Amino acid sequence: AQSVTQLGSHVSVSEGALVLLRCNYSSSVPPYLFWYVQYPNQGLQLLLKYTSAATLVKGINGFEAEFKKSETSFHLTKPSAHMSDAAEYFCALLTYSSASKIIFGSGTRLSIRP
Amino acid sequence: GAGVSQSPSNKVTEKGKDVELRCDPISGHTALYWYRQSLGQGLEFLIYFQGNSAPDKSGLPSDRFSAERTGGSVSTLTIQRTQQEDSAVYLCASSLEGTSSNEQFFGPGTRLTVL
Repeated sequence: AQSVTQLGSHVSVSEGALVLLRCNYSSSVPPYLFWYVQYPNQGLQLLLKYTSAATLVKGINGFEAEFKKSETSFHLTKPSAHMSDAAEYFCALLTYSSASKIIFGSGTRLSIRP
Repeated sequence: GAGVSQSPSNKVTEKGKDVELRCDPISGHTALYWYRQSLGQGLEFLIYFQGNSAPDKSGLPSDRFSAERTGGSVSTLTIQRTQQEDSAVYLCASSLEGTSSNEQFFGPGTRLTVL
C-alpha cells in the first residue's frame, strides 16, 4: 500500500535560514509526488510536483524538492526563508488506481522567526 | 470561473441534522474529488467523480455520507444525521482529465462544525 510520512509536525526557522521539510513515501510502483501549501483559512495550492521527468523539481516561491528513489524521499527545501512562507505544507502521493486519489502526509506547520 | 468554489464557507449545525455542501469545479474539468481535513486525521480522500463513470466511493467513512455530481459539473456532498466527529473542513478539488499527472486544483473548503 502507498503511504506518505512527513517528519516533524512543526518546524520553526529564522527568517533568511534554510527551510527543510522532510517527506518519505512508500509505493510499490513509481509514484507521482507533490508538495502543497495551505495558508491560514485558504485551500491547498500546488508548490511543485514530481512526475518522473527530472529528479530535482523547482516550484513556486523559490521552493524545490529532490526525488531520491534510494532513500524513498522527496524533501522540500528553500535556501532562505521569508516571513510569508509561514503556512502548513503537505507532501502527497498519487496512487496508480482508477481514482487517481491523492494520499496526503499529515502536514508540517512552518513557522518563521523574525 | 477562476477556480474551484465551495459553499457555504462555514456551516454550523446541530447533531442529528442533515447538511449539504456544494462544490463548483473549474469549467471544463472532468474529474472532481472530495477530501476531508480534520484535526488528528490529516487530509483524507472521500469520493471521486470522473466523467460519466461510476464514482469511486471508497473513502466515504459511513453510509451517512453521499455525493452527487449533476450534469458533470456541480457536486453536492450530503451528510445525514451529522455527528460531532463529522466536524472538519471539507475540501473539493477538480482536475482536467483525472489522469495521474494532472494537477488537482483545490477550493477553499467548507468548515463544518457539528454541535
